[in-house]
Amino acid sequence: EPEVTQTPSHQVTQMGQEVILRCVPISNHLYFYWYRQILGQKVEFLVSFYNNEISEKSEIFDDQFSVERPDGSNFTLKIRSTKLEDSAMYFCASSEVAGGSTEQFFGPGTRLTVL
Amino acid sequence: GQQLNQSPQSMFIQEGEDVSMNCTSSSIFNTWLWYKQEPGEGPVLLIALYKAGELTSNGRLTAQFGITRKDSFLNISASIPSDVGIYFCAGPNGQNFVFGPGTRLSVLP
Repeated sequence: EPEVTQTPSHQVTQMGQEVILRCVPISNHLYFYWYRQILGQKVEFLVSFYNNEISEKSEIFDDQFSVERPDGSNFTLKIRSTKLEDSAMYFCASSEVAGGSTEQFFGPGTRLTVL
Repeated sequence: GQQLNQSPQSMFIQEGEDVSMNCTSSSIFNTWLWYKQEPGEGPVLLIALYKAGELTSNGRLTAQFGITRKDSFLNISASIPSDVGIYFCAGPNGQNFVFGPGTRLSVLP
C-alpha cells in the first residue's frame, strides 16, 4: 500500500541553525501539507502546497519557514533559524484532491529537537 | 477559527469492552476524519465520513456523522490491547484539516 515517507526520523539541532525536513508524498497525490505537533498537544496545520505554490498557510508558518518541491518526488520544509519552541513532531501529509473534501494521509513524522 | 472538542479526554477500559468517544465542532462540517496515533508515529486514517447521518465501519470500528453536522462518534467494539493510542477527529478548514485534542485510550488486560 502506498505511503508517505519522511526523513530523517529524528533531527537534533542547535538554536539558530537551519534544518530541512524531507517528505516523499504518495506518488499520484497532488496536494501536500505540513503539520506540527508539539509534545502532548494536538496536530496543527502549517501549510498546504499545490501546483508548485503555497495554497494556504497558518499563522504559525512565518517567514522563517519555507516549502519546496525540488524534484518530482520530494517535498521539503525548511526552517531557516530554529528556535527552542520549534521543537515538535513535523508531519507531512498528501491527498489526491484538495484537502477539505478528501482524506489526507500522514507520514510517520520527523521529531525535531532544538537545543 | 474552527474548534473541535473531544470527549472523553482519556479513558481506561478492560480488554473486551466496547468504547465510545465523540467529537463536536463549533461549526458545520461536510467531512469528518478519524485518525489513530500511536506513540512516536504519525496519525493513521481510520474512517472518513462525507454525509450527514452516514454510518461507516472499518472492522471493529464504527463512526457516525451526526445529523446536525456538528458532531461525530467513534465506537470500538470488543477492545484489544493494540487499540491503545490517541484517537483524533479532524474536520476541514479550507484546504487543510483542524484536529481535535484527542481521546487517549488505555486498554487494561
